Amino acid sequence: DSGVTQTPKHLITATGQRVTLRCSPRSGDLSVYWYQQSLDQGLQFLIQYYNGEERAKGNILERFSAQQFPDLHSELNLSSLELGDSALYFCASSATSGRQTQYFGPGTRLLVL
Amino acid sequence: AQKITQTQPGMFVQEKEAVTLDCTYDTSDPSYGLFWYKQPSSGEMIFLIYQGSYDQQNATEGRYSLNFQKARKSANLVISASQLGDSAMYFCAMREDNTGGFKTIFGAGTRLFVKA
Repeated sequence: DSGVTQTPKHLITATGQRVTLRCSPRSGDLSVYWYQQSLDQGLQFLIQYYNGEERAKGNILERFSAQQFPDLHSELNLSSLELGDSALYFCASSATSGRQTQYFGPGTRLLVL
Repeated sequence: AQKITQTQPGMFVQEKEAVTLDCTYDTSDPSYGLFWYKQPSSGEMIFLIYQGSYDQQNATEGRYSLNFQKARKSANLVISASQLGDSAMYFCAMREDNTGGFKTIFGAGTRLFVKA
């Protein structure tokens, strides 16, 4: 158990809908990262937050947004969902925004029908 | 552009033998970190080992060691005394130390099969 929690574990929804994925980092970790893992794209970095502020952005679609709250939990919002958004979404956390190992949560498996 | 390459889609190893999983990377940044993660069939990502670009010694964590050859831009994972539980997908990743933020890119992965 990495100490990172993600909810829900599974999510099934329809095209055009909006969903919110939630992540709680390890106790004391200030940095949160979001990743998408799909069969065709592999594991892709989406976005990083550090202590509430966005710090790095990867291949995140405009339909997707994220935020980190004062209690350091983070949410990833996915809107206007398409079939291709079906994937495993991971959250990871690290102690700082420095050279720290990222510990991954168990992931949220999203299926868009 | 930054890139991680894992050229072995799949590998077989006999139980109790050692195996090397290849990883090459490309970056123009002098400061970066290299990681290996294990993803079993259950789906979670498990951190195995880390090597910083300025580290002089190769990293080791139990049965895992990282063969870091900076000039060749390679960071191969060596698993000694393979166990059946080592059967999983293995990902090499590179974290780039950009100002203020840390993007991490992953290779395509190598699926390791350990035979009894």
